[in-house]
Amino acid sequence: GNSVTQMEGPVTLSEEAFLTINCTYTATGYPSLFWYVQYPGEGLQLLLKATKADDKGSNKGFEATYRKETTSFHLEKGSVQVSDSAVYFCALLGGMEDKIIFGKGTRLHILP
Amino acid sequence: DTGVSQNPRHKITKRGQNVTFRCDPISEHNRLYWYRQTLGQGPEFLTYFQNEAQLEKSRLLSDRFSAERPKGSFSTLEIQRTEQGDSAMYLCASSLPVVDTQYFGPGTRLTVL
Repeated sequence: GNSVTQMEGPVTLSEEAFLTINCTYTATGYPSLFWYVQYPGEGLQLLLKATKADDKGSNKGFEATYRKETTSFHLEKGSVQVSDSAVYFCALLGGMEDKIIFGKGTRLHILP
Repeated sequence: DTGVSQNPRHKITKRGQNVTFRCDPISEHNRLYWYRQTLGQGPEFLTYFQNEAQLEKSRLLSDRFSAERPKGSFSTLEIQRTEQGDSAMYLCASSLPVVDTQYFGPGTRLTVL
């Protein structure tokens, strides 16, 4: 079945550092890929998405490119802020299934 | 667009009691999903509806769990004879009537003592 693997956390960075959170997937067909973010005490918020190969999703300075050849969707940000501290989930939808498959999440701590 | 809402936000109950949660989706969304998230894990799919029809149920959804969406609008998730292992965050999401982006509510955190 479909699956998502993302790097384990926690990841701790200083403010203004460059961020990469790795995500790879296994799926049949052509799924859509997502990054969701969960701030402390809150529900999941959609951060960005990409629906086909080579698409780049972007939002709030975060970017991720749908790489079919490497089955990856790595999340990047050039300069993180303290307010980016949260748990980030890579996820896929489709590929013959109607439900979202989530990775286990990566907790990000940004130090001032 | 008021987003997906869930009630209650928190529920504490004793083992063996029944609990019911409610989800109100975004108004034009006819698909509604339930997920469960335990500490340190990503959400796991439980079940979903298209309008009032329940189209898929996960093996995670034991006989003690039942979900309804009687008029194709709000949905309820009931857990009978709760167990400590049911303690989790229960998330609801909704989407348009094709396989598309799902928008999540704030969740209901259940604690079973």
